[in-house]
Amino acid sequence: GNSVTQMEGPVTLSEEAFLTINCTYTATGYPSLFWYVQYPGEGLQLLLKATKADDKGSNKGFEATYRKETTSFHLEKGSVQVSDSAVYFCALSDQDAGGTSYGKLTFGQGTILTVHP
Amino acid sequence: AAGVIQSPRHLIKEKRETATLKCYPIPRHDTVYWYQQGPGQDPQFLISFYEKMQSDKGSIPDRFSAQQFSDYHSELNMSSLELGDSALYFCASSLEDAGELFFGEGSRLTVL
Repeated sequence: GNSVTQMEGPVTLSEEAFLTINCTYTATGYPSLFWYVQYPGEGLQLLLKATKADDKGSNKGFEATYRKETTSFHLEKGSVQVSDSAVYFCALSDQDAGGTSYGKLTFGQGTILTVHP
Repeated sequence: AAGVIQSPRHLIKEKRETATLKCYPIPRHDTVYWYQQGPGQDPQFLISFYEKMQSDKGSIPDRFSAQQFSDYHSELNMSSLELGDSALYFCASSLEDAGELFFGEGSRLTVL
C-alpha cells in the first residue's frame, strides 16, 4: 500500500534560517505529491503540490521537487519566518496512467516546525 | 470565497454516547472526504462520497457511519463512543473524485 515517511521532528530554527523537511514515499501507480500546513487550532491548508516527476511545486517561498528516482519530495525554504511555525504534512494521492488523481490522501506523520525570533 | 464548513467545532460526549458531525462542502463540490486525526497523529482517511454514493472506505470503525445528502452535505455518525475516538475530525471537499482537496477547520470530539 501507499505510505509517506517524514523526517523526525520537531524542528526548531531561528528566523531567516534555511529549512529542509524530508519526505519519502512508497506508492503504486503514479502519485501526486503534496505539502499541507496546519497552523495551531486550524485545518489543513494546501501549501504546494506536484503531479509528475521533476515537477517543482512552490508557494510562499517554499519549494519541493518531485524526485521519482529517490521517491522523495523534500520541502525547502531559504529563510523561515516566525509565522511559518506550524505542523507540515507530506501527502500523496494516487493517479492512474492517464494522470487523473484519486482524491484520497495518504499523509505522513507531520513535522512540527518552530521558528524563534 | 466560501470554504468547507464543519459543525460543531467542538463536541464533548460521554463513553457509549452517540455523536453526529456535519460537513458542508464548497458550493458545487460533489465529493466529500472524512479524516480522523488523533492527538499528535497524521490524519487518517475514514470514508469518502462522490455524488451521494460511497466512493472509498478507509479505517472507519463499524460503529461509525456516514452519508452524503442530496444537497451534498455529509454527516458522520459515531455510536458507542470510546475514549479512543477523541480526535479532530476533518472534512474535505473536491470537485469530482479527482480534484484538489479543500479542508474544513475540523470538529474536535472529546470523549470522557
